[in-house]
Amino acid sequence: NAGVTQTPKFQVLKTGQSMTLQCAQDMNHEYMSWYRQDPGMGLRLIHYSVGAGITDQGEVPNGYNVSRSTTEDFPLRLLSAAPSQTSVYFCASSAYTGTDNQPQHFGDGTRLSIL
Amino acid sequence: GENVEQHPSTLSVQEGDSAVIKCTYSDSASNYFPWYKQELGKGPQLIIDIRSNVGEKKDQRIAVTLNKTAKHFSLHITETQPEDSAVYFCAARPGGYQKVTFGTGTKLQVIP
Repeated sequence: NAGVTQTPKFQVLKTGQSMTLQCAQDMNHEYMSWYRQDPGMGLRLIHYSVGAGITDQGEVPNGYNVSRSTTEDFPLRLLSAAPSQTSVYFCASSAYTGTDNQPQHFGDGTRLSIL
Repeated sequence: GENVEQHPSTLSVQEGDSAVIKCTYSDSASNYFPWYKQELGKGPQLIIDIRSNVGEKKDQRIAVTLNKTAKHFSLHITETQPEDSAVYFCAARPGGYQKVTFGTGTKLQVIP
């Protein structure tokens, strides 16, 4: 059971380039989300999805796009990379059982540098 | 929206001593409070969680307490060991699909 898998682990981009961060989970979780982690700021929610075909914005969505065509995959796209997007990006997933809360499972992150 | 404050930002303790990390939240609708441990180069991992219908929960050396009236919750680690050194995050979440809001993290260092 692989859990949440993120690729790539490291990436360096030039300003203006675009790229896609991949996230896949094999736990059949409905809820998936993307966070960025910056020093002293904790984890900030970028976008999230409650199921295939449904996405919504989080706290810091500008400059990022997402889509959810399958339950397993939730890619994050940087449209035109900016130095302010240098960060560590985490994908997470969780099950949903009615109104009960289930814990999120995180991947090991993608470390992205924008030059 | 929800706002979660976490203190202290750094904490150093001697091996064997206890460590306490405190969080406050703003949204009275929040009813789920997980704690995550993040080791260097890894993603956060859940270590314990508590729901609003419970005031305290314990798992071996780790315990969490919740005061809903004061909107406070705390993580207690007893008999600390060097492997407890990591960054710890608290979080708060209303029911179901609502967004999780994280605190800014506490870097715990356990000195052998």
